[in-house]
Amino acid sequence: NAGVMQNPRHLVRRRGQEARLRCSPMKGHSHVYWYRQLPEEGLKFMVYLQKENIIDESGMPKERFSAEFPKEGPSILRIQQVVRGDSAAYFCASSPGTGGPKEQYFGPGTRLTVT
Amino acid sequence: QKEVEQDPGPLSVPEGAIVSLNCTYSNSAFQYFMWYRQYSRKGPELLMYTYSSGNKEDGRFTAQVDKSSKYISLFIRDSQPSDSATYLCAMSVLGNTDKLIFGTGTRLQVFP
Repeated sequence: NAGVMQNPRHLVRRRGQEARLRCSPMKGHSHVYWYRQLPEEGLKFMVYLQKENIIDESGMPKERFSAEFPKEGPSILRIQQVVRGDSAAYFCASSPGTGGPKEQYFGPGTRLTVT
Repeated sequence: QKEVEQDPGPLSVPEGAIVSLNCTYSNSAFQYFMWYRQYSRKGPELLMYTYSSGNKEDGRFTAQVDKSSKYISLFIRDSQPSDSATYLCAMSVLGNTDKLIFGTGTRLQVFP
């Protein structure tokens, strides 16, 4: 049973470009969380999605950031017009939706560098 | 004030030592308490979780929660060089989308 997959693992973008981060949950999981880890900081919640629904986006910046989890395919975190402050590691976690918060399994992360 | 406070370290101990890692929190609604281990350039992996108060032991690891003091701890006995990693505490409110609130992490180095 493959774990959570994220790609790309490393992404370099120039200021003003768009970044697309993908997360494929574990088999049988229909819930996805996105977290951001800035240098020397802990992970910060961004958004929680179920298939075709955004459940909680309270941690998402109001502008330039969006997320989706379509019926088919991976969840995508999109950052438009990236700025240097967006440089961070972005982790997704998938969950079966039962068992509580301990049932979040993290992917290896995508490290975004904005030059 | 952050919801969860954690000393970033680094903490350096000799092999075989007992390690104590701690977090304090301000939100009394937290009911789930977890400890994650994160190796460099990897995703966090769950080590221990506790629901509400009390102690939990798993091998060399013991997790403690003191809700009256809003304080949680992770103890590692007989520490090994392979335990060298960043340890993150995380908390969650029951029934609130299960989103995790993390501490900043404590970097641990166990030297032979």
